[in-house]
Amino acid sequence: ETGVTQTPRHLVMGMTNKKSLKCEQHLGHNAMYWYKQSAKKPLELMFVYNFKEQTENNSVPSRFSPECPNSSHLFLHLHTLQPEDSALYLCASSQDQLEPLHFGNGTRLTVT
Amino acid sequence: QKEVEQNSGPLSVPEGAIASLNCTYSDRGSQSFFWYRQYSGKSPELIMFIYSNGDKEDGRFTAQLNKASQYVSLLIRDSQPSDSATYLCAVNMRPNFGNEKLTFGTGTRLTIIP
Repeated sequence: ETGVTQTPRHLVMGMTNKKSLKCEQHLGHNAMYWYKQSAKKPLELMFVYNFKEQTENNSVPSRFSPECPNSSHLFLHLHTLQPEDSALYLCASSQDQLEPLHFGNGTRLTVT
Repeated sequence: QKEVEQNSGPLSVPEGAIASLNCTYSDRGSQSFFWYRQYSGKSPELIMFIYSNGDKEDGRFTAQLNKASQYVSLLIRDSQPSDSATYLCAVNMRPNFGNEKLTFGTGTRLTIIP
């Protein structure tokens, strides 16, 4: 596989559920990101990891919890989400921070 | 609040014509500028990046940067129906606090009319 792979592609969860989104990059990049994309709003940066260390937490609610076990894998753990959290969640990677981003296909999340 | 602004469109252009997409940004100190294309239901993909004032050409695409006017544009020559997508402008900005980070505009929806 090449590029940035995200699973699952679609996820429907209730507000009391716990689920995790997974991202894997095969590009040898050092930085990984989580973005949220909602309708008619700009892409919102959530978290940044550079060499496995979190360098950015963009005032994201604690019901979103990232994990980066190594420079190729990134997770987003979800619990007690709200309906307004329904969105497309995009993982991206780049060689270094400030370099062009390569996006995964995203996870379409619906919170019921 | 430092921002990137784009006209949301939709922008309709006849096939074969030049499509011109515009973007303004608020941080005068920004140094890196990117254009991403996003097809409906897909993730963004990088089209062009530009760091220096002037024009940068890649095939049918030309990025234009004017740092004095805080303006970056994307021109698509000989527009094709396959160019119909949303185009996202992204600028590396230094916020009031914290690290420099990539800020996206809301995107311009482009439709090429056969």
